[in-house]
This record gives sequence, structure tokens and C-alpha cells, in this order.
Amino acid sequence: QQQVKQSPQSLIVQKGGISIINCAYENTAFDYFPWYQQFPGKGPALLIAIRPDVSEKKEGRFTISFNKSAKQFSLHIMDSQPGDSATYFCAASLGNDYKLSFGAGTTVTVRA
Amino acid sequence: DTAVSQTPKYLVTQMGNDKSIKCEQNLGHDTMYWYKQDSKKFLKIMFSYNNKELIINETVPNRFSPKSPDKAHLNLHINSLELGDSAVYFCASSVTGTKKNTIYFGEGSWLTVV
Repeated sequence: QQQVKQSPQSLIVQKGGISIINCAYENTAFDYFPWYQQFPGKGPALLIAIRPDVSEKKEGRFTISFNKSAKQFSLHIMDSQPGDSATYFCAASLGNDYKLSFGAGTTVTVRA
Repeated sequence: DTAVSQTPKYLVTQMGNDKSIKCEQNLGHDTMYWYKQDSKKFLKIMFSYNNKELIINETVPNRFSPKSPDKAHLNLHINSLELGDSAVYFCASSVTGTKKNTIYFGEGSWLTVV
């Protein structure tokens, strides 16, 4: 069963717009929540990550919002650019566990 | 100077054949993984090795056999290939004992079974 549920499956946004991807998890023991970005033909690469002791983390145009009580976290891409067109995966892991549980992915298309 | 490199990048083979994918990382990491990405882009862990020791073995058919000759290498051998094995296989690595636990992925090996 999927431990991290991600939505939407795909989205299209105009250049300069905001892309929002949502994820929800069940296991309250998860304590590390990364987002990975994957371009066609490439492997996923870490984009930004958060731990549950903070509610928001921002790196450039990318922001993670984290709601511990709701067991949800989201990625906001501000001022979306065509170069942001990729598939984005949320993930979660617990403690020193070696395993990342990935969401199903969201394909983002930014139209110029 | 690729961090996680895997070969071959593309592999087309017939059902019933046996094939191997090789992976090497030059990051000095002590943990390596094999992930499978299906046609719907879903990523699922298959195996994980820490210091050459198998630590994660998800419910993968025993036709799949990983082997780690040393910390920098993790190979995947697949026997009696089936159509359903067609997917992208990603090798990855990380360092244990760090708070970030960032996993670095290779560029993938596209396996097509015909």
C-alpha cells in the first residue's frame, strides 16, 4: 500500500504562475520529508526537504509547507518557469530507516 | 566524474533471457539501492545494501539477485526475464548517520523485455 499519497497527477501552469503539489501521509513516525525533481531521461534529484519541527522551508522559488496535525505537506513553485517542467515526487522516511516511501509523482508543465 | 553511474543505459532483450545491470558510485557513500520505476513513473525500492550487507529486500521475485562486491558497487542480475520486468531501474546511494539522508540517483537503465 502506498504510504504517501500525492496529488494532482499532473498540472499545467502558465509561466510566472504558482504550481502547488500536495502530499499526505499516514505514518506519524515519519520524520523526514524530501521532494525530488525528475527530468525526462534522468534520475530523480533532491530538490528540497523538511523535518516536522518546522512548518515551512523556502529555497529560492521552492517552498515546502508542512502541517503536522493534518499529516500533509505541499510544494509550492513560485514564478514557475519552463525549465521547471518535470515530474515532482514527494517522499517520506523515518529515523535512520534506509527506505524512502515515494508519492506517485506529479508531472508539471509550464507553458511559456 | 558522474556520481552514480549505471550501465547499460538501454537494454532490449527477449523473454527468458538473463541480464545484469551494473552500478558504481564515487561519492564515498556506504549505502546503495536499487529502485524500480514503472510505466506510470511510480518509484519503488527493491533492495538496499549497507557496507555490502543486504538490509532491505522488498517483495521482489527471487529472479532478481543483487550483489555488492564492495561499498562502491551494486549490481543487479535478473534471471528468466518477463514482460512485466520492463521498467527503468535506478541505482542510488546515500550516507548513513547523517541527518539529511539524501539519496543520490543514477540516470537509470531502461529495460525493455520483448
